Amino acid sequence: DAMVIQNPRYQVTQFGKPVTLSCSQTLNHNVMYWYQQKSSQAPKLLFHYYDKDFNNEADTPDNFQSRRPNTSFCFLDIRSPGLGDAAMYLCATSSPREYPRNEQFFGPGTRLTVL
Amino acid sequence: RKEVEQDPGPFNVPEGATVAFNCTYSNSASQSFFWYRQDCRKEPKLLMSVYSSGNEDGRFTAQLNRASQYISLLIRDSKLSDSATYLCVVNTRRGYNKLIFGAGTRLAVHP
Repeated sequence: DAMVIQNPRYQVTQFGKPVTLSCSQTLNHNVMYWYQQKSSQAPKLLFHYYDKDFNNEADTPDNFQSRRPNTSFCFLDIRSPGLGDAAMYLCATSSPREYPRNEQFFGPGTRLTVL
Repeated sequence: RKEVEQDPGPFNVPEGATVAFNCTYSNSASQSFFWYRQDCRKEPKLLMSVYSSGNEDGRFTAQLNRASQYISLLIRDSKLSDSATYLCVVNTRRGYNKLIFGAGTRLAVHP
């Protein structure tokens, strides 16, 4: 089945220790997104890639970076995690051919704990 | 003011009840609208798109009022398995398509 896969599902890191979360997709979608979701809050878009074009949200901290080496994979790097970065990180994909509907398909998420 | 606002609930209803959720959005340029369902500690999943004429999918009915910038979701004959958080989501084009999520309305269906 075509899908969005995130690894790991659970990640524990120490304060200040860099961490990388990964996302892969078999949907062949052009667009990949990274969201941060804290408890009882809406998912918050951090950035997205349209093909290789990187689009950062204005309020995304510099501590968060992303890489997309090919269509299938996208990585979220947190350079120096703080306690406030503990959250669920969701990867999603969409196809611009579906504009304006823009349905997004989400991966299962990575729950990050910062000690 | 948040771009998408929802009553956070929780809505506690018995099985078989009818429950309605409301959502308002602030950007009149918004172009498409959705309800997503999110189970505890899981990812959001698309429940249904919302069309101007209103649409129904089984026990679920969604309505859109563009003039009032208001979206609703009606669930009839609630099941225990409907217990989840329902996210109102709006697609707004700002050079690219961007989904704006509400914080969600929590529904708890009890026997």
